[in-house]
Amino acid sequence: LAKTTQPISMDSYEGQEVNITCSHNNIATNDYITWYQQFPSQGPRFIIQGYKTKVTNEVASLFIPADRKSSTLSLPRVSLSDTAVYYCLTSGTYKYIFGTGTRLKVLA
Amino acid sequence: EPEVTQTPSHQVTQMGQEVILRCVPISNHLYFYWYRQILGQKVEFLVSFYNNEISEKSEIFDDQFSVERPDGSNFTLKIRSTKLEDSAMYFCASTSTDTQFFGPGTRLTVL
Repeated sequence: LAKTTQPISMDSYEGQEVNITCSHNNIATNDYITWYQQFPSQGPRFIIQGYKTKVTNEVASLFIPADRKSSTLSLPRVSLSDTAVYYCLTSGTYKYIFGTGTRLKVLA
Repeated sequence: EPEVTQTPSHQVTQMGQEVILRCVPISNHLYFYWYRQILGQKVEFLVSFYNNEISEKSEIFDDQFSVERPDGSNFTLKIRSTKLEDSAMYFCASTSTDTQFFGPGTRLTVL
């Protein structure tokens, strides 16, 4: 059974860069990797998506090594409002697997 | 910015009752999904829907579940006879490409 794992929790201070890694050993050739942010009692909110190498947008960067068996979400200069649970999702044709989620707590 | 909407935000029902959860996907999206999240756990895939039929379903999506797109805008999830363990947040998502956008969810409480 494919399992996508993440560290359970991380703490950081405001203004620091945070890197959250997702392990997806069984990723398929046509799977994309997407990261979501989730606040309590809300739906997952899209952060960034990639297939390989590096992707950057206005809020985050996503690093994917050549073997694609893991990915790292990088959040530059986090703030208190970034406290949330972060999930990776691997998705391809008819297969959608969320990671176990990482609870990020940003401290003042 | 267009978004996925879901109703109701909270549904309370008695065990054995039927419930219908409703979603309005983003208007130009063609692929639709339902996920569930039991309290404190990760999001789990239930079913995907394209071209008016189920394209994939997980082992969670048994005969008690069904989905329908009754008109051009709504996408529904029906649970025929609810069980206590169906209590969860249910999220609808839609996409036109590879990026799924999620609704705010419906909290289902089965008593």
